[in-house]
Amino acid sequence: AAGVIQSPRHLIKEKRETATLKCYPIPRHDTVYWYQQGPGQDPQFLISFYEKMQSDKGSIPDRFSAQQFSDYHSELNMSSLELGDSALYFCASSPRPRTGMSYEQYFGPGTRLTVT
Amino acid sequence: SQQGEEDPQALSIQEGENATMNCSYKTSINNLQWYRQNSGRGLVHLILIRSNEREKHSGRLRVTLDTSKKSSSLLITASRAADTASYFCATFFYTGANSKLTFGKGITLSVRP
Repeated sequence: AAGVIQSPRHLIKEKRETATLKCYPIPRHDTVYWYQQGPGQDPQFLISFYEKMQSDKGSIPDRFSAQQFSDYHSELNMSSLELGDSALYFCASSPRPRTGMSYEQYFGPGTRLTVT
Repeated sequence: SQQGEEDPQALSIQEGENATMNCSYKTSINNLQWYRQNSGRGLVHLILIRSNEREKHSGRLRVTLDTSKKSSSLLITASRAADTASYFCATFFYTGANSKLTFGKGITLSVRP
């Protein structure tokens, strides 16, 4: 079965550079979530999208922005990178949550970003 | 953590033994999910239990949910070395436009061959 695809899998950037992470959800999943997991930390929710609209926002720095495109893939843009941005970035997808329904989120393999 | 505490933080057992991991949370939930993560790898969904369910089984996994105590437990029976990983519980609460998983601190399970 098709899974969530993330690219690149590994990315090395220098401080103050920019990075773009891509996520391709499972076919027919219209909701995308982004999470950040620092070393030894639990994943933290950043932002989510449904039907190309931002649906929820977590602890995402102002230096980061994201969007969802018409084919439902999403991109996380990170500017003015800092050392503390080094982390594993996960994308997850699911059908749109609805009252009374519970959908699991399917996670991609993650993009490991290293800022030097 | 907004999620609460996982108990224990780390667990080391012998292959064949059962492993029990506990998780507590603080907010209302629609469901609670358990994930496994091998070192530095992706998150693998294990099991989802809805807020109106008390117990669920999947293979060697058994999860319980006590919404009155805001706690859940994950039992892995007959553990194998391949079960060595970090385990996270995550709660999901849907409020219309807002819906996200809130993860707890991971529990590191080591299964000795």
